[in-house]
Amino acid sequence: GDSVTQTEGLVTLTKGLPVMLNCTYQTTYSPFLFWYVQHLNEAPKLLLKSSTDNKRTEHQGFYATLHKSSSSFHLQKSSVQLSDSALYFCALRDGGSNAKLTFGKGTKLSVKS
Amino acid sequence: DMKVTQMPRYLIKRMGENVLLECGQDMSHETMYWYRQDPGLGLQLIYISYDVDSNSEGDIPKGYRVSRKKREHFSLILDSAKTNQTSVYFCASSSGTGTLYFGSGTRLTVL
Repeated sequence: GDSVTQTEGLVTLTKGLPVMLNCTYQTTYSPFLFWYVQHLNEAPKLLLKSSTDNKRTEHQGFYATLHKSSSSFHLQKSSVQLSDSALYFCALRDGGSNAKLTFGKGTKLSVKS
Repeated sequence: DMKVTQMPRYLIKRMGENVLLECGQDMSHETMYWYRQDPGLGLQLIYISYDVDSNSEGDIPKGYRVSRKKREHFSLILDSAKTNQTSVYFCASSSGTGTLYFGSGTRLTVL
């Protein structure tokens, strides 16, 4: 079945530094990848998404590029802010779907001043 | 205003009691979901509903059942709740594009 791997459980950074959160996936179908962000005591919400190979997608200063050759969709930001502290989930919807999204276990980003 | 509403926000039950979690959406989305969230485990899919009376098991359906009699309403039922069902439950809806709109969650504690 489909799977999503996020290797870091916790990433702690000082504000102003760049960040990359890793996401790799496995599927036998054509992938559609998502990043969701969840701030403390809030619901997850969509940050960005892509199904186009090798095309960078951006939103709110975050960006990611789907690389089908390496099955990756890493999330990056050039300069993190205190308000970026949150839980980040990578999710996969396969092209053959039934609308099911498979989520990774999440990476907690903690930004310190 | 696109909204997914979950009730209640907090719930405490004793082991063996029945639990009903309710979810509503005002976007006429066909597809709705129930997920549970546990620390370190991410979001795990319990059930997915493609429309009224068209429900399918997710990855962890055991101990749960669902009901969808109206497109805008999707319920999660725990018959005889167990302590390991203590979790945060999220309902979500989607128009089919893969973008999910989540409710605010229900924090369920089973004692």
